[in-house]
This record gives sequence, C-alpha cells and structure tokens, in this order.
Amino acid sequence: SQKIEQNSEALNIQEGKTATLTCNYTNYSPAYLQWYRQDPGRGPVFLLLIRENEKEKRKERLKVTFDTTLKQSLFHITASQPADSATYLCALDIDGGTYKYIFGTGTRLKVLA
Amino acid sequence: DTAVSQTPKYLVTQMGNDKSIKCEQNLGHDTMYWYKQDSKKFLKIMFSYNNKELIINETVPNRFSPKSPDKAHLNLHINSLELGDSAVYFCASADGQETQYFGPGTRLLVL
Repeated sequence: SQKIEQNSEALNIQEGKTATLTCNYTNYSPAYLQWYRQDPGRGPVFLLLIRENEKEKRKERLKVTFDTTLKQSLFHITASQPADSATYLCALDIDGGTYKYIFGTGTRLKVLA
Repeated sequence: DTAVSQTPKYLVTQMGNDKSIKCEQNLGHDTMYWYKQDSKKFLKIMFSYNNKELIINETVPNRFSPKSPDKAHLNLHINSLELGDSAVYFCASADGQETQYFGPGTRLLVL
C-alpha cells in the first residue's frame, strides 16, 4: 500500500547535537517534498521544500536531503536547541506536480538541555 | 494580520447536529485545503479548491461539504455529526503547488 513513514514516533537528543529525522515513502513519484514543524495546539509551519531534481537544501541550521532512488528524505537540525522541540512532519505531492499532499506520521523531537 | 484564520477555534456539539467551520486567507493564494488531524496526530487531506473549483475530494463522507464563495474563503459544513468526527480541522492555503500556510485549527468535539 502507498504510505509515508517517519522513522520514529519520538526522538530525544542532547542540546548541541545534530538531530536527524527520516521520511520514507513507497509507490509515489513526488515532484516536491516538504518538511513542516508543528507545535502543540498549533497548525503546521512550513520549513523547507526540496524538489525531485535537488539532492540537498539548507536553511540556517536546517538541512534536507532527497534521494528519489531510495525514496527517502533526511531532515537534519544542527546545534539543536530546546526550542527546536516539536513534531516534525514530512509531506510529499503524491502524483508529481499535483496539488495533493500526503503527510507522514510525524516525529516528536525533544531536545534535552 | 493573520494569514490564514479559522472560526471557531473550539466547537463542542451533540451528535446529529449540523455545524460549519469558516476559513479565510489574506495571502492572495489560489489554492485552499481542508485537512483533518485525528487523535494520533495524523494529518489527512480532505478537500482542495483552486480558484473556487474543487480539485481534490478525498474519500470523505457526504456529510462533509466544502464551499468556496471566493478565492479567499473556504468553508466546511458538516451534517449529522458523529462521534468519529471529533478531531482538529485545519485549513491551509498555497500559492501554486508548493508552500502551504496552515490556519490555527478548529478543535471539534462531538458528544
């Protein structure tokens, strides 16, 4: 069946370390893959978008990679801070350039001081 | 100014009632969405409109009916509410096929 999985439901890391979150998908050929942050009681907030022909994208302490062969995206937060604690969601457009985005199950990241 | 706003923020109602949730965006985007986030935090697309035209209609019960009176508004009407409809409903807007901007959510509780 078609699905998007994020590596773990929860991830705890020590402040200052790099957090790496995984998004794996099957049976899709997305043109775009996005990462969002969601805090409790709030709507998701867009962080980064990476296109199918891009291998890597960076924004400040954030880095996203996209491997269409492995059908996987990695999301890194370097020098993590307690303020980075949130749930992170990946989303991809399931038919390559359509308006239909499917979201992953989310990873709840907790950065320990 | 809030980019994507939803009303109400909380909605508590009895089974069988009919209710509406309103969404407005002031970003000038052409595309708007409704998503449902269940108790396990899984975010699932329900509907999408592009320039007031319905372009995505997922497997959603007929009791749910979206309406887009203009590009800036997308409302969701729910008939005969059921316990399983309890969830957080998010509206989002997008410029093209890329970044989506989400509203704050409407927390619906059906008793």
